[in-house]
Amino acid sequence: AQRVTQPEKLLSVFKGAPVELKCNYSYSGSPELFWYVQYSRQRLQLLLRHISRESIKGFTADLNKGETSFHLKKPFAQEEDSAMYYCALSESGRAQKLVFGQGTRLTINP
Amino acid sequence: EPEVTQTPSHQVTQMGQEVILRCVPISNHLYFYWYRQILGQKVEFLVSFYNNEISEKSEIFDDQFSVERPDGSNFTLKIRSTKLEDSAMYFCASSGEGNEQYFGPGTRLTVT
Repeated sequence: AQRVTQPEKLLSVFKGAPVELKCNYSYSGSPELFWYVQYSRQRLQLLLRHISRESIKGFTADLNKGETSFHLKKPFAQEEDSAMYYCALSESGRAQKLVFGQGTRLTINP
Repeated sequence: EPEVTQTPSHQVTQMGQEVILRCVPISNHLYFYWYRQILGQKVEFLVSFYNNEISEKSEIFDDQFSVERPDGSNFTLKIRSTKLEDSAMYFCASSGEGNEQYFGPGTRLTVT
């Protein structure tokens, strides 16, 4: 069965500090991993996907198949990073359903 | 930039009533989805739809639920006889040839 675990419901860091949001997954096949972000009163929007290997808004995430993890990192947090972050998994291929983690609410303190 | 839209933003209904939640996917997308999020819980997949057929559905998507693409632009989710436990945020999403899903702002359904 596919499962995504985000162990932290809440994470609070100071502006300028490094941020790491943890995500672990369980899947026997070859998954695609995503990070979605939801800013206050806005829709879910894609932040990163592992196959693109991009850095978006200073965030990066590396798929570690050995540890079945896809942690989201940013070296220097900014106040505008405060949001709800969801890790999600799908099977490889077109139009596959997303399986979400419970989400982590990140708060950046000034 | 094109966006997925959903109406209404908030729907209040009485238990046992039928509700229809509406979505307008991004115009050149071919794959459509519904998800829901009960307050305090995970976002859960309900159903995916392609070429006027359901591609996949979850255990949640029982006979009380149905989806339809009644015209070239709308994608609807119908709940025939709502229950208290159907109260949730319902998200529509669409995708094109890639696997990147674009989400609507959601409809908050409150069943009383």
